[in-house]
Amino acid sequence: NAGVTQTPKFQVLKTGQSMTLQCAQDMNHNSMYWYRQDPGMGLRLIYYSASEGTTDKGEVPNGYNVSRLNKREFSLRLESAAPSQTSVYFCASSGLLPPLEQYFGPGTRLTVT
Amino acid sequence: QQQVKQSPQSLIVQKGGISIINCAYENTAFDYFPWYQQFPGKGPALLIAIRPDVSEKKEGRFTISFNKSAKQFSLHIMDSQPGDSATYFCAAASGSRLTFGEGTQLTVNP
Repeated sequence: NAGVTQTPKFQVLKTGQSMTLQCAQDMNHNSMYWYRQDPGMGLRLIYYSASEGTTDKGEVPNGYNVSRLNKREFSLRLESAAPSQTSVYFCASSGLLPPLEQYFGPGTRLTVT
Repeated sequence: QQQVKQSPQSLIVQKGGISIINCAYENTAFDYFPWYQQFPGKGPALLIAIRPDVSEKKEGRFTISFNKSAKQFSLHIMDSQPGDSATYFCAAASGSRLTFGEGTQLTVNP
């Protein structure tokens, strides 16, 4: 079992460029999440998908879009990258039943210059 | 608006000592309170969690104390070891959504 995988691990973008972060899980989880982690701010929820076919905004959705491609895959797209989006991005997944533990991927370190 | 406040931001303890990290929340709809541990270059991983119907939960050297009336909870790490050096996040859940604290960077000196 690979758990939650994310690609790429590192990315450098210029302001205005676009890119898609990929996430996949092999635990048959229904719910998937995208977070960003910034120093001193913990992890903040960008978007989440409670089940295949649904997506909802989290705490900091501006500048991002998501696609729940199927039950396994949940992608995060930056249409026009800004320096404020420099961060470490984590994908996570969880099942439907308690204890609702979220399993995290290894992260993508994104730098926007 | 930070709904879960965590302190201290950083903590240094000696090997064998007790590490204590505190969190406070505002939203009474939260019904699940996990702690996550994160090592450098890795994603967070669940360490221990508690529901508000109990006041304490212990797993090995790790204990959560929960005070529902004060809307506070804390993580105690007994006999702290250098291998415990990591960043610790408290969180609070409403449904399947987690709200995280700011994180505490723990360093345990040998």
